[in-house]
Amino acid sequence: AQKITQTQPGMFVQEKEAVTLDCTYDTSDPSYGLFWYKQPSSGEMIFLIYQGSYDQQNATEGRYSLNFQKARKSANLVISASQLGDSAMYFCAMRLRGQGNKLVFGAGTILRVKS
Amino acid sequence: DAGVTQSPTHLIKTRGQQVTLRCSPISGHKSVSWYQQVLGQGPQFIFQYYEKEERGRGNFPDRFSARQFPNYSSELNVNALLLGDSALYLCASSSVHTYTENTEAFFGQGTRLTVV
Repeated sequence: AQKITQTQPGMFVQEKEAVTLDCTYDTSDPSYGLFWYKQPSSGEMIFLIYQGSYDQQNATEGRYSLNFQKARKSANLVISASQLGDSAMYFCAMRLRGQGNKLVFGAGTILRVKS
Repeated sequence: DAGVTQSPTHLIKTRGQQVTLRCSPISGHKSVSWYQQVLGQGPQFIFQYYEKEERGRGNFPDRFSARQFPNYSSELNVNALLLGDSALYLCASSSVHTYTENTEAFFGQGTRLTVV
């Protein structure tokens, strides 16, 4: 069965510094996609970054990068130069081949950026 | 273009009542998925619909049902509401119905349901 684990319930980071949010996953399927979403207090899930299981390079999107370590089954999100607007809940999610558009989410990590 | 829109944004229902939540996907998107997010947890998959057909179902009781209309909008119905059904219900739309690499799902802002 597929599972996403986010072990950090909450994180603090100083403005302009980098922060890493941890995510480990469990699946026996060799083909999968890993996603990170940001959820502000308004509730909407905002897509940040995607990593495919066969991608050779780590994904990057602006200030977001994904540290993908396939052998360790980890997909950590790195946010560089944190901004006050980055304060939100962050979810790691996985989608598997053969399961349509179903996303399996972790429990999330709440990030607070301090000025 | 408008994003995924959900209505209503908030509602309060009494135990035992029935509720209908609505979702309009992004124009051109034929796939709609529903998720339940209980406070303090990640979203849990309820249903996926594509071209008006159910394409996936999560581990939810039969009190939960959904349908998709010819214009690809969708409704989620929950009967015999329980206190535990209180949650944020999220709708996601996608341009495809199955796994393809780097196909993101776009989420609405959700409907916050409170059962009292």
